[in-house]
Amino acid sequence: QVRLVESGGGVVQPGRSLRLSCVASGFTFSSYVMHWVRQAPGKGLEWVAFISYDGGIKYHADSVKGRFTVSRDNSKTTLFLQMNSLRAEDTAMYYCAKGGGRPLGDAFDIWGQGTMVSVSS
Amino acid sequence: DIQLTQSPSFLSASVGDRVTITCRASQGISNHLAWFQQEPGKAPNLLIYAASTLQSGVPSRFSGSGSGTEFTLTISSLRPEDFATYYCQHLNSYPITFGQGTRLEIK
Repeated sequence: QVRLVESGGGVVQPGRSLRLSCVASGFTFSSYVMHWVRQAPGKGLEWVAFISYDGGIKYHADSVKGRFTVSRDNSKTTLFLQMNSLRAEDTAMYYCAKGGGRPLGDAFDIWGQGTMVSVSS
Repeated sequence: DIQLTQSPSFLSASVGDRVTITCRASQGISNHLAWFQQEPGKAPNLLIYAASTLQSGVPSRFSGSGSGTEFTLTISSLRPEDFATYYCQHLNSYPITFGQGTRLEIK
């Protein structure tokens, strides 16, 4: 079945780096755009990053621009989020999500279970 | 950036009730709006896309409407499994944003 599985979260000190991964299965990964979304404890959803089918187009939220970079490896059906210069306010559950394409108005139709990132000294 | 404001932020209702959640956009977004349900400890689940189209597998008691700047999500007859938090999201342009959420609790 269609599935997204995130990994790479953990506890990290402020200023350090972390790389999240999201492995996709059950669909043609290279045909769909992908996103990262995060949710701080007890808070709402915040879109973090977008990457196009081939990785040629990327967008990042202002809150992470210059520190986080989204990328993908279609040969390994894997999405990544490289997070540098981490701050306490980056503490959140990080979800990867699949774009549903034009038929779904580009809505995020499949989500992973999330991976938790805690930034603390 | 486009801001989305949901109302109410908190809603208390009973099984069988009809409830409506409103999402207002700070500028026109045509029908580029989605609705999600999120249960505690779980990932969001897509309910509605393109403002009014029901995602496959979602019960027909859920419906969406609206265009431009004002949108609604209606649950026609609440069931116990519907008590969760609901978010609207626009897909009109980047950055994509979400509403602040509406927490639906059992009265």
